Amino acid sequence: GQSLEQPSEVTAVEGAIVQINCTYQTSGFYGLSWYQQHDGGAPTFLSYNALDGLEETGRFSSFLSRSDSYGYLLLQELQMKDSASYFCAVVYGQNFVFGPGTRLSVLP
Amino acid sequence: KAGVTQTPRYLIKTRGQQVTLSCSPISGHRSVSWYQQTPGQGLQFLFEYFSETQRNKGNFPGRFSGRQFSNSRSEMNVSTLELGDSALYLCASSFGAGGNYEQYFGPGTRLTVT
Repeated sequence: GQSLEQPSEVTAVEGAIVQINCTYQTSGFYGLSWYQQHDGGAPTFLSYNALDGLEETGRFSSFLSRSDSYGYLLLQELQMKDSASYFCAVVYGQNFVFGPGTRLSVLP
Repeated sequence: KAGVTQTPRYLIKTRGQQVTLSCSPISGHRSVSWYQQTPGQGLQFLFEYFSETQRNKGNFPGRFSGRQFSNSRSEMNVSTLELGDSALYLCASSFGAGGNYEQYFGPGTRLTVT
């Protein structure tokens, strides 16, 4: 089937590092994307991994391992404004598939 | 550069009615995708249009349809509304088709079916 799994919630404190995992059960996909969505807002693109390895963009990094059907989003130096939902997404066949989302709460 | 715009932002309809939602992509973007977001089902893909052609379609009934115009603006139509169609409908535009391209989401249309 085509499904993605993410933890439903993650809590961390300001300044900390948090990793949000995403496992998928698809094949033939083109890559793994990550999106951030604040409450009441629209999803915004964070990163895209087409190849295995780590992609770094400022405080955010994303990793993909095709052989393990696994990826993660790493957020460093957490700030209160990082409190949001984070979605991984893949293109499978003719469909875009989003994960269920991980709600990140950053505490002071 | 102006972002993705969606109209209307809020809509209340009655069961059995039909509704049309509009999406204007970022200038130069030729792909428009539509999503339904609900607390229970998350973000679900409806369909993608590229150069006026439906390229991909998700697992939604035929009551959900769409189209894209030559200026890349897109409309989504839902006929015979059901209570379960209450959701946030998001459109996203991208320069190219498929998931290789970054998608830019609009603010969404909040549809309530009573």
